[in-house]
Amino acid sequence: DAKTTQPPSMDCAEGRAANLPCNHSTISGNEYVYWYRQIHSQGPQYIIHGLKNNETNEMASLIITEDRKSSTLILPHATLRDTAVYYCIVRRGGGYQKVTFGIGTKLQVIP
Amino acid sequence: KAGVTQTPRYLIKTRGQQVTLSCSPISGHRSVSWYQQTPGQGLQFLFEYFSETQRNKGNFPGRFSGRQFSNSRSEMNVSTLELGDSALYLCASSWTGSEEQYFGPGTRLTVT
Repeated sequence: DAKTTQPPSMDCAEGRAANLPCNHSTISGNEYVYWYRQIHSQGPQYIIHGLKNNETNEMASLIITEDRKSSTLILPHATLRDTAVYYCIVRRGGGYQKVTFGIGTKLQVIP
Repeated sequence: KAGVTQTPRYLIKTRGQQVTLSCSPISGHRSVSWYQQTPGQGLQFLFEYFSETQRNKGNFPGRFSGRQFSNSRSEMNVSTLELGDSALYLCASSWTGSEEQYFGPGTRLTVT
């Protein structure tokens, strides 16, 4: 599976959009980009995933660059409850594989 | 639908002992993965089970083992506990292992 690079920490003002970047320059054509988040002392929570098109759900939007080497998770109106560690991972679609999580980005939403 | 459940939630053991942790996946999910989370190493993959068979294994010593039952419930066992085994152990389930995973709350193991 391709590796990902994320900034270790970010701050965002409450009510503003939080844009979390992720680099995955070695991503393969059949690998999806997944985002999870982990609120303190809880298990990680699935947010969104995509292959090459931008995706949106009730939680967030995922923007993937045309060359697929990077992506951005957007939380449109960050709240204090969005303070968490955000993980970007890449994994193949179909079949089965071990999933590798990095250290993630610690997002602090500031009142 | 009930989420992934893990028992116990907290556990304190002594060096040299062994421990068994349990995970019940979401109903219908057949893939169960286990992860170890420590402050310094982040989330590290332990192993994945599907239909009672281990399909993938991470880079952990043989002291770490697991199994899956016919109802998809899974257990992991750590023998001869070391201080460094203190961690949050997370279990995640999915339909077949190729989709998004749903995590349980974890078991916090402390080895003294």
